[in-house]
Amino acid sequence: SQQGEEDPQALSIQEGENATMNCSYKTSINNLQWYRQNSGRGLVHLILIRSNEREKHSGRLRVTLDTSKKSSSLLITASRAADTASYFCATDERGGNKLTFGTGTQLKVEL
Amino acid sequence: DAGVIQSPRHEVTEMGQEVTLRCKPISGHNSLFWYRQTMMRGLELLIYFNNNVPIDDSGMPEDRFSAKMPNASFSTLKIQPSEPRDSAVYFCASGDRVWDIQYFGAGTRLSVL
Repeated sequence: SQQGEEDPQALSIQEGENATMNCSYKTSINNLQWYRQNSGRGLVHLILIRSNEREKHSGRLRVTLDTSKKSSSLLITASRAADTASYFCATDERGGNKLTFGTGTQLKVEL
Repeated sequence: DAGVIQSPRHEVTEMGQEVTLRCKPISGHNSLFWYRQTMMRGLELLIYFNNNVPIDDSGMPEDRFSAKMPNASFSTLKIQPSEPRDSAVYFCASGDRVWDIQYFGAGTRLSVL
């Protein structure tokens, strides 16, 4: 099964609302990353949070990490239509040597 | 920097034909990754290189798939012979270190008829 699994699989909100996506993983990690993929494009890195960090901000993005629950959340505040995309979490297992991407959350922000 | 460059952007071929996908990573990056993305299986890591050396090819589905990185600025992913189930979007990504931020190319959309 996937190391990272996002929840929900799909999310539809109105412009201006906040969007929250969750990621669960199975093993101990060194860091967790979030990526965005617009339709027909490659993935773009958004933010990286290390295992010794609990919260990180970047513009309208807020990421939290709970290593005891092996979960992370990505919050996009004041969403815009341009935020419509798929969002993926990626983890690197402690002792491992590669990133593993989750299944993604499809976010649709409607005007 | 132009970012990770993949070619071609689209490839349509017939079953049994050889397909070669190309990737130019970001200059100075030490790691290069090949992924495949489908609706059914999501994003799968096929193989990655570190300092031009293949490190993990456990994701390569079959012997029909092969990848090379002859130098730090070029890599190829070859499928021979191609099959309809190989139809997918193939991404190349590069990064400073294997576990660090990855920069993706725009992908090659492959259709095998």
